[in-house]
Amino acid sequence: DIQVTQSPSSLLASLGERVTITCQTSQSIRNNLNWYQQKPGQGPMVLIYYATSLQTGMPSRFSGQYSGRNFTLTITSLEPEDIANYFCLQHYSAPYTFGAGTKLELK
Amino acid sequence: EVQLQESGPGLVKPSQSLSLTCSVTGFSITSNYWGWIRKFPGNKMEWMGYINSSGSTRYNPSLKSRISITRDTSKNQFFLQLNSVTPEDTATYYCARSSTYLDFDYWGQGVSVTVSS
Repeated sequence: DIQVTQSPSSLLASLGERVTITCQTSQSIRNNLNWYQQKPGQGPMVLIYYATSLQTGMPSRFSGQYSGRNFTLTITSLEPEDIANYFCLQHYSAPYTFGAGTKLELK
Repeated sequence: EVQLQESGPGLVKPSQSLSLTCSVTGFSITSNYWGWIRKFPGNKMEWMGYINSSGSTRYNPSLKSRISITRDTSKNQFFLQLNSVTPEDTATYYCARSSTYLDFDYWGQGVSVTVSS
């Protein structure tokens, strides 16, 4: 199975701050990684797909980058509605595997 | 708009079977892939398996002997059965769609299942 290591597990940030979350995979998955946002009591929503593509309807302050096995989700300027849990998912090969999640909270 | 909704018992006894339903509106389950994912206490997530447009299934090898995913196309529903459950199967269970263009693009809100006597 492909292992996905996500960091940090939790993050305190201020409104307007730039936030970065990373996932590293145990082997190359090309760009087959999605980023999700999940709020309490809700299902996950895809933010970024194929590592860099912004899902329709998602704010442009969210972006994704990758280099080799390293993937990054960036929020350029934190808004109150961004407080949520974030996780990555590799869909390159089954069994598909997930990062452990990042709980983003307001400082 | 595609919507998925999980339903099923919130409490299952050890050694019994867990059975969940995913009801889909806004899109036919005879297209694309439809799967189950679970999130354990502590937030670890596990892909369980899927059923595709032709009714073929693929499962996580970690579950292969206990899991079955089936569907009822007339009701636009698909189902999860997990046999011989233990407390380690306590989790929130999600159903999700994978389309031709985007894997895991729509998810249900999840249903919490506790395995306990």
